[in-house]
Amino acid sequence: QVELVQSGPEVKRPGASVKVSCKTSGYTFTDYAVTWVRQAPGQGLELMGWISVYNEDTNYPQKVQDRVTLTREISTGTVYMELTSLKSDDTAVYYCGRRGAHGAINYWGQGTLVTVSS
Amino acid sequence: EIVLTQSPGTLSVSPGERATLSCRASQRISATFLAWYQHRPGQPPRLLVYGGSIRATGIPDRFSGRGSGTDFTLTISRLEPEDFAVYYCQQYSTSLWTFGQGTKVEI
Repeated sequence: QVELVQSGPEVKRPGASVKVSCKTSGYTFTDYAVTWVRQAPGQGLELMGWISVYNEDTNYPQKVQDRVTLTREISTGTVYMELTSLKSDDTAVYYCGRRGAHGAINYWGQGTLVTVSS
Repeated sequence: EIVLTQSPGTLSVSPGERATLSCRASQRISATFLAWYQHRPGQPPRLLVYGGSIRATGIPDRFSGRGSGTDFTLTISRLEPEDFAVYYCQQYSTSLWTFGQGTKVEI
């Protein structure tokens, strides 16, 4: 069965960087894009970007495009999200999700809490 | 960027009642690229509907989506206790997907 398993919670200082992993299994890794979405406390869902695992093409929203980088490691079936220059409003639960053939996100990781605090 | 505006912000209903959630896009999108998700606290989002009206695998038929152009709706025909959650619409018609701000369905 399809599974996405994310790395554990992180606590970071403002200005630091964080790298969250999303290990996939149960399907052909290069067949589907993976997206990252976050939810800050009391807020809605926000796209962080997505990566075409096949050719490593990426798309980022303007709000975070200077600070976020998505990469993938084919040998382990893992996608990474790195966010730099962290600010307190980056505190959120970060989810990875696999895009289905229809385009919507039909499988999700369990979420990773990233806390940014001095 | 396509902005999705959901209404109402909060919907207060009772189990067994019908709930209708609205999602309006700032520009026309094809229903092919419109999805709805359910999000319960402490869990990842769950895909309910994609392509505007196609229920995802395992989703009960009390959930139905419809719409076209700029106006889309999700209807929950008979609310069950587990349906009380936040619901988001999402468009993926452009390379930069966007979500609505969510509708909370509460008792």
